[in-house]
Amino acid sequence: AQSVTQPDIHITVSEGASLELRCNYSYGATPYLFWYVQSPGQGLQLLLKYFSGDTLVQGIKGFEAEFKRSQSSFNLRKPSVHWSDAAEYFCAVGSSNTGKLIFGQGTTLQVKP
Amino acid sequence: KAGVTQTPRYLIKTRGQQVTLSCSPISGHRSVSWYQQTPGQGLQFLFEYFSETQRNKGNFPGRFSGRQFSNSRSEMNVSTLELGDSALYLCASSVTMPPTDTQYFGPGTRLTVL
Repeated sequence: AQSVTQPDIHITVSEGASLELRCNYSYGATPYLFWYVQSPGQGLQLLLKYFSGDTLVQGIKGFEAEFKRSQSSFNLRKPSVHWSDAAEYFCAVGSSNTGKLIFGQGTTLQVKP
Repeated sequence: KAGVTQTPRYLIKTRGQQVTLSCSPISGHRSVSWYQQTPGQGLQFLFEYFSETQRNKGNFPGRFSGRQFSNSRSEMNVSTLELGDSALYLCASSVTMPPTDTQYFGPGTRLTVL
């Protein structure tokens, strides 16, 4: 069955520090992978996506993610976190058969001043 | 270009009532998907419509239904509301079929069932 696991429910980092959010997926074929961010009371904003090609993808707001097929991972990174990055982050895998997105449980990022 | 809009933004209903939520996709987008977000279950897929046809449906009871109009606007309906239906309902649109075509999410409708 298709699934997405985000092992870290809550992460706290200091402003200016680097960030890595983990995502592991289970999917039979070549996955369509996404990272979304959700601020309180808001919908989901797409940060980046991976379909094929270069395994290191660049997104908005200085985020990047690396697809590692051997580890079934798609971790999100940012070299220097800003206070405005505090939000909930969701990793998702898209099914090409059903069109639906399967989301992880999310990681809440807190940024310390 | 305007984003995905959802109305109303907040809704309070009582058990047993029914509710209709509305979603207007981005202009030119023909696919609309609905998701339910709760603290316990996270984000779960409800259904997806394309050109007025439901193409896919998630694992929800028949009380949850939807439709899409010729202008691509979509509505979802929940009948006989239960306390557990309290959630943020998110709508997402894409030009054609997700996930190959990127989905853009609206701000959601927060439904509270008392």
